Amino acid sequence: AQSVTQLGSHVSVSEGALVLLRCNYSSSVPPYLFWYVQYPNQGLQLLLKYTSAATLVKGINGFEAEFKKSETSFHLTKPSAHMSDAAEYFCAVIYSGGYQKVTFGTGTKLQVIP
Amino acid sequence: DTEVTQTPKHLVMGMTNKKSLKCEQHMGHRAMYWYKQKAKKPPELMFVYSYEKLSINESVPSRFSPECPNSSLLNLHLHALQPEDSALYLCASSQVRGQGTEAFFGQGTRLTVV
Repeated sequence: AQSVTQLGSHVSVSEGALVLLRCNYSSSVPPYLFWYVQYPNQGLQLLLKYTSAATLVKGINGFEAEFKKSETSFHLTKPSAHMSDAAEYFCAVIYSGGYQKVTFGTGTKLQVIP
Repeated sequence: DTEVTQTPKHLVMGMTNKKSLKCEQHMGHRAMYWYKQKAKKPPELMFVYSYEKLSINESVPSRFSPECPNSSLLNLHLHALQPEDSALYLCASSQVRGQGTEAFFGQGTRLTVV
């Protein structure tokens, strides 16, 4: 089955350091890709999305992601981590022909160390 | 208005109770979703409604009964639940046309079955 994989269930970074959260998809046909953030006991908020218009996508709160077809990746980055970035991050995908069915990765919990 | 509103925020119910979760959006979205999220897990799709008609049921037990009375409202009726049904229940909405349109999530209902 087609899927999306997030490497690293927990990532710790120091405040001010680079944030890198990894996401790989499994399909020969580029899907539609999303990054969502979830704070404790909250719903999911969209950070950014890739829909083939541009390979480098900028989102909210200083996050961006680059779509790399050759690597089937869509990693999320932020140049400088802030304490408020501590949350759970989910990569998600909609595959062509998959209607509106969103498949989520297993999530990465980001810890920011003061 | 980009909000999806879910009520109640918290619900505790016994295994013989009947309760309902409610979801409302006023973004003109004609696709609405119910997801179930267990602790430390990604959201799992339960149901999809498109133009007020059930289009996807992910083999959800019949003790969960969805209803879409109009284009702005989505309900999830609960009856004879089990303790393992305790979870965060998330509602989402999106446009129907155009794959790659993101889903907007509500804040969720934290359900505890006792």
